Amino acid sequence: KNEVEQSPQNLTAQEGEFITINCSYSVGISALHWLQQHPGGGIVSLFMLSSGKKKHGRLIATINIQEKHSSLHITASHPRDSAVYICAVDQGGSEKLVFGKGTKLTVNP
Amino acid sequence: KAGVTQTPRYLIKTRGQQVTLSCSPISGHRSVSWYQQTPGQGLQFLFEYFSETQRNKGNFPGRFSGRQFSNSRSEMNVSTLELGDSALYLCASSLAGGGGYGYTFGSGTRLTVV
Repeated sequence: KNEVEQSPQNLTAQEGEFITINCSYSVGISALHWLQQHPGGGIVSLFMLSSGKKKHGRLIATINIQEKHSSLHITASHPRDSAVYICAVDQGGSEKLVFGKGTKLTVNP
Repeated sequence: KAGVTQTPRYLIKTRGQQVTLSCSPISGHRSVSWYQQTPGQGLQFLFEYFSETQRNKGNFPGRFSGRQFSNSRSEMNVSTLELGDSALYLCASSLAGGGGYGYTFGSGTRLTVV
């Protein structure tokens, strides 16, 4: 079993829909990261969370430490949101990121 | 401010050769970590350097090595290349690495071994 599990693996939505991507982890963490990767490879860090909820524009990320679960929400999705979204955790004290397999999101106009 | 710079962007090498990839972190960042991304395995941690010291290493063979210079620039080296080493290699810079400090990723070096 992977230490970081994401669901779904693939997600297709229509423009304007509300999107949720889930991440569960089984190790102790000091922080959880949501990353976005566009075709071509570059990775952009969207959020770093250790508790609660963060919001940036149309993106919202939440984390429940007790349940070891995080969600990334996209409101009013747009075709430019099409990308792979990756959940990664900082294992406490190890300076090492462990990654989920990613969720490929396609938003159709 | 300048981002994380990885060079080269693309590289084609022959099996058995060796390769060196470079990563220049954001000014002031002292931690550089390296990752391998393949379609089958996804993103995997290679190693992390802080102030010229390797603090953590992933589960990769000894053919994969790295170093960090006093200006925080880092290089990784892969010797005796195998076809399976074909991948996107990403580095990330951080003020200090670990929880509580964010990461900024480079655009990656796409290595193809033929």
